[in-house]
Amino acid sequence: EVQLVESGGGLVQPGGSLRLSCAASGLTFSRYWMSWVRQAPGKGLEWLANINQDESEKYYVDSVKGRFTISRDNAKNSLYLQMNSLRAEDTAVYYCATVEGYSFDIWGQGTMVTVSS
Amino acid sequence: QSDLTQPASVSGSPGQSITISCTGTSSDVGGYKYVSWYQQHPGKAPKLLIYDVSNRPSGVSNRFSGSKSGNTASLTISGLQAEDEADYYCNLYTSSSTLAVFGGGTKLTVV
Repeated sequence: EVQLVESGGGLVQPGGSLRLSCAASGLTFSRYWMSWVRQAPGKGLEWLANINQDESEKYYVDSVKGRFTISRDNAKNSLYLQMNSLRAEDTAVYYCATVEGYSFDIWGQGTMVTVSS
Repeated sequence: QSDLTQPASVSGSPGQSITISCTGTSSDVGGYKYVSWYQQHPGKAPKLLIYDVSNRPSGVSNRFSGSKSGNTASLTISGLQAEDEADYYCNLYTSSSTLAVFGGGTKLTVV
């Protein structure tokens, strides 16, 4: 079964850091571009970052540039999102997804991040 | 705040057809063919319905169809069913540094 499983979410204070992980199974992880997408409570989807197969290309939405870093470990079939200088407005469910062509094909179930004092 | 405009809500009766629009500009929707659509039920992850404007992934019902005219992309759902009640999002993938952007989402109610 093809599956993406996010982990690492939780409660963090403003200004703090958190590292999210996304474990892939049932697919050839190293073949895919990967993405992180988030959804604030009661709000819509927001694309955050993309990374290509060998980490040579990374793209970010302006609101997280300089604070978030996307990375991957193909040997571990894992995708990561290092989040620093967290703000209340970063509170959201964070999803990882595979990129097939120009769309987000396979999604994880999401992990909740709450930024609050 | 999204650069792609979707109606906040649409509704329809079982068996009817509805269309959800996704409006941008000539610089985004009008200039690219990489529009995709996603369905999201409450508390669930999004699901890809349509890619590259009008293509359906394997396993997606042919009741879902996509199109584009000028600066507006559209998702049409025919033969509405109760399980179609969900939120729907369009997405545009571009070659700009902001690689991808989602529309604000549309809540479909099947009444």
